[in-house]
Formats: sequence, C-alpha cells, structure tokens
Amino acid sequence: EIVLTQSPGTLSLSPGESATLSCRASQSVGTYLGWYQQKPGQAPRLLITDASNRATGIPARFSGSGTGTDFTLTITRLEPEDYAVYYCQQRFDSMYTFGQGTKVDIK
Amino acid sequence: VQLVQSGAEMKQPGASVTVSCQISGYGLNTLYIHWWRQGPGKGLEWMGGFDPRHSKVMSAETFQDRLTMTEDTATDIAYMELTRLTSEDTAFYFCSTDRGSAYFYFDIWGQGTLVTVSS
Repeated sequence: EIVLTQSPGTLSLSPGESATLSCRASQSVGTYLGWYQQKPGQAPRLLITDASNRATGIPARFSGSGTGTDFTLTITRLEPEDYAVYYCQQRFDSMYTFGQGTKVDIK
Repeated sequence: VQLVQSGAEMKQPGASVTVSCQISGYGLNTLYIHWWRQGPGKGLEWMGGFDPRHSKVMSAETFQDRLTMTEDTATDIAYMELTRLTSEDTAFYFCSTDRGSAYFYFDIWGQGTLVTVSS
C-alpha cells in the first residue's frame, strides 16, 4: 500500500496570504495524484487531478505541482472560503489512499 | 450527476448496516460507484468499488469479508452493506463516482451517511 504523508498538519494564515501544502508518497506515483478540499459536514471536493490539472470549475488560485514522490498544492491569495482541510489522494494497483490531511485555518 | 444517500443509522455491535446511494442525471449502468468512510476527526478511507481496468469489484483488505457492494440498474441505486459492526465502524460513509479520469479521481460525491455503532 502506498502511504501519503502530508505536511504541515495545520497551517494558520491570514486572508490574502498564500498557502503551500506538501504531500509525500512512500513510493513513486508518477503524476497520478489528486487534491481535495473538505469543509466540516461536507463531502470532499476535487480540486486537482494528475498533480497539476485543475478540475472543472476550480479557481486559478489553486495550483498543483510535483512528480514521483513529492507534490505541492499552492493556494495563492487565500479567500475566506478556502479555510478547510486539504487531502491528497492516489490510486495504485486498483487501491486508493488519502493523506491524513492539512488543515488551513485563519490566523 | 447527483448522488443522494440514505439517512443516518444507529446500530448495535454485531449488527449489519446498508447504505444506499441514488444516482440521478446518469444511468447507473454508465457509472461505477465507489465507497469511502471517514471516522470522527479522521481522514478518508477507501472501502471498495468496481475497477473498469480489471472488470471486477475491488475492496480494501480491511473490509474484504464484511463488505458487500451491489447495484440495481433498474432503479439506479447502489448499496453498500457492512456486517459484524463494531464501534470502530462509527463513521460517515460516502459514495462517489467519476466522470472523466478513468476512476483515478472522484469528482461527484454523495452527501454522506452517518453510521453510529453503539450498545
């Protein structure tokens, strides 16, 4: 099983600042990595596919990068609605795993 | 596509639970449904779903002998049954599907169903 490790656990930032979230895989996943946003009481929302492609309707302030084992989600100029938990996710050998999440909260 | 799940359930240890997922906007015979869960304050855990690459249902080893996933294409409802419940199975359960990534990622999710296991 591929383990995804996210850091930091919590990121405290003010509106307008930029957020940089990390996801490290225990073995290479190529670029087959996605990012999701989840708010309390809601289902996850797909943000990024294939490491760097924004999903339909996702604002341009969300961007992803990386390949192999190291990936980054960047949120430029945080908006009030961006405060949430962010998860990375991969599929390998027909099995799926999520990272443990990074919480972005208001400083 | 919209996925609407059944309501919250409270079960005793040892019992079984069935969660349903009604699909609208697409026929169930054109989609594959996957199931996930999220324990209190925890991350997301994949339970299982149909893998089109291998044409078979796959499930996480954790659940393999307790989990049954079925689909009724006549009513466009998918079902997930989990047996021999323990308190560790208390969680939100989600169904999901994908419209364009060959099931690498999931862009459509149900609203979640809370299953509470308690005596």
